[in-house]
Amino acid sequence: NAGVTQTPKFRILKIGQSMTLQCAQDMNHNYMYWYRQDPGMGLKLIYYSVGAGITDKGEVPNGYNVSRSTTEDFPLRLELAAPSQTSVYFCASSPGLAGGGLRNEQFFGPGTRLTVL
Amino acid sequence: DQQVKQNSPSLSVQEGRISILNCDYTNSMFDYFLWYKKYPAEGPTFLISISSIKDKNEDGRFTVFLNKSAKHLSLHIVPSQPGDSAVYFCAATGTASKLTFGTGTRLQVTL
Repeated sequence: NAGVTQTPKFRILKIGQSMTLQCAQDMNHNYMYWYRQDPGMGLKLIYYSVGAGITDKGEVPNGYNVSRSTTEDFPLRLELAAPSQTSVYFCASSPGLAGGGLRNEQFFGPGTRLTVL
Repeated sequence: DQQVKQNSPSLSVQEGRISILNCDYTNSMFDYFLWYKKYPAEGPTFLISISSIKDKNEDGRFTVFLNKSAKHLSLHIVPSQPGDSAVYFCAATGTASKLTFGTGTRLQVTL
């Protein structure tokens, strides 16, 4: 299993550009999450999904959009990049208790480092 | 409003000694707590967890203690090893399928 994969690893955007951060998992997990981590801060939840076709906002959703058309993929879209979106973005997945996992044990990808200039 | 707090940004411990990382929370609805470890340029990895019905959970060199009345938990690493040098995040969850993370403590284990 590759686990949770994220592409790209690094990206520099200009203000106002848009991009999609890709996330995929091959563990058949129902739950998927997007976080951002700013320097010296913890992980803040942007969006999450409890299954294909179901998404919900987290703590810091403004400026982002997500979709979940399959169990495996959970892309994060930035429409109009702003310097405040400079951060490291982590995608995670979880089987949930029903999937045989520990409660809320989440498996993380390696992250995408995004800089907006 | 930081619901999960790790007040020590960094900690330095000698190899072989005990490392104690602390975490406080404010939300009474949290009933399950997790510790994650993060190396540079990698995603966090799950380390150990504890339910609010317990006050201690042990896994090898790692033990997590929970004091519900004080809304405080701690992670003990004994003995500390150089490979334990990383950032440790405390996380908490309630009824929702979401985690709330603390800001992390950077542990450095020196020789």
